[in-house]
Amino acid sequence: EMQLVESGGVVIQPGGSLRLSCAASGFTFHNYAMHWVRQAPGKGLEWVSLISWDGSGTYYADSVKGRFTISRDNSKDSLYLQMNSLRAEDTALYHCVKDALLSGSGDWYFDLWGRGTLVTVSS
Amino acid sequence: DIEMTQSPSSLSASVGDRVTITCRANQGINNFLAWYQQKVGTVPKVLIYGASTLQSGVPSRFTGSGSGTDFTLTISSLQPEDVATYYCQSYKSAPLTFGGGTKVEIK
Repeated sequence: EMQLVESGGVVIQPGGSLRLSCAASGFTFHNYAMHWVRQAPGKGLEWVSLISWDGSGTYYADSVKGRFTISRDNSKDSLYLQMNSLRAEDTALYHCVKDALLSGSGDWYFDLWGRGTLVTVSS
Repeated sequence: DIEMTQSPSSLSASVGDRVTITCRANQGINNFLAWYQQKVGTVPKVLIYGASTLQSGVPSRFTGSGSGTDFTLTISSLQPEDVATYYCQSYKSAPLTFGGGTKVEIK
């Protein structure tokens, strides 16, 4: 069974740093681009970041550019999100998300979501 | 950046009704559009990709149409299990963007 399990979410003060992790299983992790998508409490979906299958390409939402860094370790089937200079508006459930198609297609839509890890930025 | 505007933000319809949700892009995205369904307490599930291709396992009452800037998700006969929030997503280019969502309820 394909699965994504996130961890690392906590309550943290504004300005702090945090690293989220995502463990993948049940599929060939290195064949797919991966994403982080967040959802603030009671709000809609917001795409955060994308990393190519080999880590050579990364993209970010304007709201997190320069503060967040996405990375992956294909030897560990793991995805990461380093979050710096956190703000109250970063409070959300962060989902690790798998691209639907094998890398190279350029079609970045999603077919597998983790249940998410909650990040709360508050003093 | 591409912006996606969904309408309406919510709707209430009777079982068996035809329901239509619209998504508009602020620039042409060809057919690089997906639709997701999110039920309360669950993660989103892809229904449609490529604007009109039904994801495997999704009931045929869901159809997608459109190209360029204007897209539609139609539920031909609303069922109680279709109560959810629906999102469109552009994947023409990064940064990827979602619409604001449409909450569908049963009247």
